[in-house]
Amino acid sequence: SQTIHQWPATLVQPVGSPLSLECTVEGTSNPNLYWYRQAAGRGLQLLFYSVGIGQISSEVPQNLSASRPQDRQFILSSKKLLLSDSGFYLCAWRPKRISYNEQFFGPGTRLTVL
Amino acid sequence: LAKTTQPISMDSYEGQEVNITCSHNNIATNDYITWYQQFPSQGPRFIIQGYKTKVTNEVASLFIPADRKSSTLSLPRVSLSDTAVYYCLVVGNQGGKLIFGQGTELSVKP
Repeated sequence: SQTIHQWPATLVQPVGSPLSLECTVEGTSNPNLYWYRQAAGRGLQLLFYSVGIGQISSEVPQNLSASRPQDRQFILSSKKLLLSDSGFYLCAWRPKRISYNEQFFGPGTRLTVL
Repeated sequence: LAKTTQPISMDSYEGQEVNITCSHNNIATNDYITWYQQFPSQGPRFIIQGYKTKVTNEVASLFIPADRKSSTLSLPRVSLSDTAVYYCLVVGNQGGKLIFGQGTELSVKP
């Protein structure tokens, strides 16, 4: 069976510090991978998605970046965090099947920037 | 991308049937209608997907009229554990991107 891991679960970082969040998927190959952010309240914002190693599409301009160094590894980074980067970060994966739109989400990382 | 509109919140009582309607007037021919459920501090979970008419699974039913400009998620006999935010999404051939709106916060009371 497939599983998706994210770490850390919670993180408190000062403004201006760097960030690295990691997501890995097990039990599948060549998945589509996604990073979302959910600010206080509702609504998930798609940040990045990747259809393969080294292939990253950015959905919104920001001080965050993403990388996919391996097939089942997706990393979200920042060189200098802003207060507005606080939120709940979710990684998700989806198999590459036409008309199949179920995405599987990880447990999330709660980031607080102080 | 087709935009969706759904009520911000709904209240219900245990044992009742809950119907959440979503409008998506600009849905394209290749788009599917998908619903997700999210509990606090968890990632969303897929509930059901449909293209037209009616789809039913062990969790919910999805009703889609012929013009596909709206859809209704039906949750039979809700319980307290169904309290969550429910998202309606229209998903097409867009690289698998899901665009989440604000969702409907369902509160089930005893």
